[in-house]
Amino acid sequence: DAGVIQSPRHEVTEMGQEVTLRCKPISGHNSLFWYRQTMMRGLELLIYFNNNVPIDDSGMPEDRFSAKMPNASFSTLKIQPSEPRDSAVYFCASRDRGLTGELFFGEGSRLTVL
Amino acid sequence: DAKTTQPPSMDCAEGRAANLPCNHSTISGNEYVYWYRQIHSQGPQYIIHGLKNNETNEMASLIITEDRKSSTLILPHATLRDTAVYYCIPQNNAGNMLTFGGGTRLMVKP
Repeated sequence: DAGVIQSPRHEVTEMGQEVTLRCKPISGHNSLFWYRQTMMRGLELLIYFNNNVPIDDSGMPEDRFSAKMPNASFSTLKIQPSEPRDSAVYFCASRDRGLTGELFFGEGSRLTVL
Repeated sequence: DAKTTQPPSMDCAEGRAANLPCNHSTISGNEYVYWYRQIHSQGPQYIIHGLKNNETNEMASLIITEDRKSSTLILPHATLRDTAVYYCIPQNNAGNMLTFGGGTRLMVKP
């Protein structure tokens, strides 16, 4: 299995631009999570989906952030408009229905907003 | 979810056992203890979890005290590749997320 696949691995953009991060979970996993990691705040959960349905988005910073999961094999995290404080590493993780606490993380997308 | 306390950093000599403690005195009866690690520039990686019995797998051993207020992750023969941040996370099986704290930065030295 290829594991959780995220793209792009690195993104540099200018303030105000739209950013779209993509995630392909492990096949057969029914839950998907988006985390953000910064030096100041550590790893923060942004949103998670069960069976493609958003369950808890209380961690999403503000309306500039949105996440979708149109099918079981694809999810996006969009930031529009981006700001320098959004610079972080964004991780996607997926989980098998039978393994509640065992998350499989991707390699992350490093976002830099200038 | 229960709060955890972990030392911010630890050193270990290569080849020796690394014992990483975690205090979770407010853990509730249905919460498991999960351990993850994050090697620099990579996503977190699941290591092991347990409820009240000690557990062992190919990566590590987990010792949970009888009162479940603390646990220790043991890497029996630490290698340089075990240098990482280790997170202890109480989580009940009805929960749907993991909340990562500050973790312990383990430095394995030659």
